[in-house]
Amino acid sequence: NAGVMQNPRHLVRRRGQEARLRCSPMKGHSHVYWYRQLPEEGLKFMVYLQKENIIDESGMPKERFSAEFPKEGPSILRIQQVVRGDSAAYFCASSHRDGNRETQYFGPGTRLLVL
Amino acid sequence: GDSVTQMEGPVTLSEEAFLTINCTYTATGYPSLFWYVQYPGEGLQLLLKATKADDKGSNKGFEATYRKETTSFHLEKGSVQVSDSAVYFCALSEMNRDDKIIFGKGTRLHILP
Repeated sequence: NAGVMQNPRHLVRRRGQEARLRCSPMKGHSHVYWYRQLPEEGLKFMVYLQKENIIDESGMPKERFSAEFPKEGPSILRIQQVVRGDSAAYFCASSHRDGNRETQYFGPGTRLLVL
Repeated sequence: GDSVTQMEGPVTLSEEAFLTINCTYTATGYPSLFWYVQYPGEGLQLLLKATKADDKGSNKGFEATYRKETTSFHLEKGSVQVSDSAVYFCALSEMNRDDKIIFGKGTRLHILP
């Protein structure tokens, strides 16, 4: 059973370009979470999605950032008009409800560098 | 809001030494508690977890006990190895509608041979 897949693993963009980060959850998982890790920091929650629904986007900047998890295909985190401060590692996690408790499984991350 | 505080690193130990990484939390409800490990250049791996008070999570020789009275979840290992060198994150999740995880800042651990 393949784990959570993220691509690309590394992404370099110039200021003003768009960044698209993809996440394929584990097989059978219908919940996806995106987190951002700034250098030397812990991970910060950005957004929680289920298939075709955004459940909680309280951690996502209001502008330039968007996320989707379509019925078919991977979840996409999109950053428009990137700035240097967007440079970070972006991790996706997926889960499958198991009774009342979930365990989130993390992907290897996409490391975004904005020049 | 909910938060996690863990001891700052880096922590440097010799092989076979005893390890403790302190972690305390604040939460409004009854969270589940986790330790995640991040090896260089990799994503996070769940190391262990505990879902209720007095539960002990354990894995690969690491242990942590959910202490509600002291709101702590300290990570311990009796004899560390060089391969344990990594960044360790303490985290919590309120098992409600969102289940988002709140992480501490991480503690970098260096084990010397």
